[in-house]
Amino acid sequence: EIVMTQSPATLSVSPGERATLSCRASQSVRSNLAWYQQKPGQAPRLIIHGASTRATDIPARFSGSGSGTEFTLTISSLQSEDFALYYCQQYNNWPPITFGQGTRLEIK
Amino acid sequence: EVQLVESGGGLVKPGGSLRLSCAASGFTFKNAWMSWVRQTPGKGLEYVGRIKSKTDGGTTDYAAPVKGRFTISRDDSKNTVYLQMNSLNTEDTAMYYCTTVLTRSDLVFDYWGQGTLVTVSS
Repeated sequence: EIVMTQSPATLSVSPGERATLSCRASQSVRSNLAWYQQKPGQAPRLIIHGASTRATDIPARFSGSGSGTEFTLTISSLQSEDFALYYCQQYNNWPPITFGQGTRLEIK
Repeated sequence: EVQLVESGGGLVKPGGSLRLSCAASGFTFKNAWMSWVRQTPGKGLEYVGRIKSKTDGGTTDYAAPVKGRFTISRDDSKNTVYLQMNSLNTEDTAMYYCTTVLTRSDLVFDYWGQGTLVTVSS
């Protein structure tokens, strides 16, 4: 099973600043990596797939990069609505599909 | 607008059964691959299983923890996907989400319902 490790567990950033979230896979997943955003009381929402492709209606301030085992989600200028939990997910080697444990992005 | 509405969650005793439903609208359901994903505070997000469109064979696959106990089915005439859960145990306690699958080759979950809570407890 591929283990997905996200860091940091919690990231504190001020509105308007850049946030950088990391996701590491225990073995190569090529570019088969997705990112999801989850706000309290809501379902997750797909924001990035294919490591760098924004999902429908996702603002351009969200960008994904990386391949193999190291991936990054960058939010270029944080808006109030961006403070949430973020999960990565690999879909290269399955079963099983695996998710990271999440990074909480909070207001500094 | 894509909408997925789950129902059927609730409290059930260990060893019991429950059937979840997910009513879909806003897209061509019969062509969609659908999946179920669950979430717990302890284990986070966990893939449950998937069903292909009938055009693509209508076959299913399941995660190891639920294989042999859970069954996914679909009724394209009702735009609904189901999750039949048998032999439930406390580790199945979770919020269950119905999702669409992005593409045939990428098991990415692009639209999600609001979830339905399943609690397994005596």
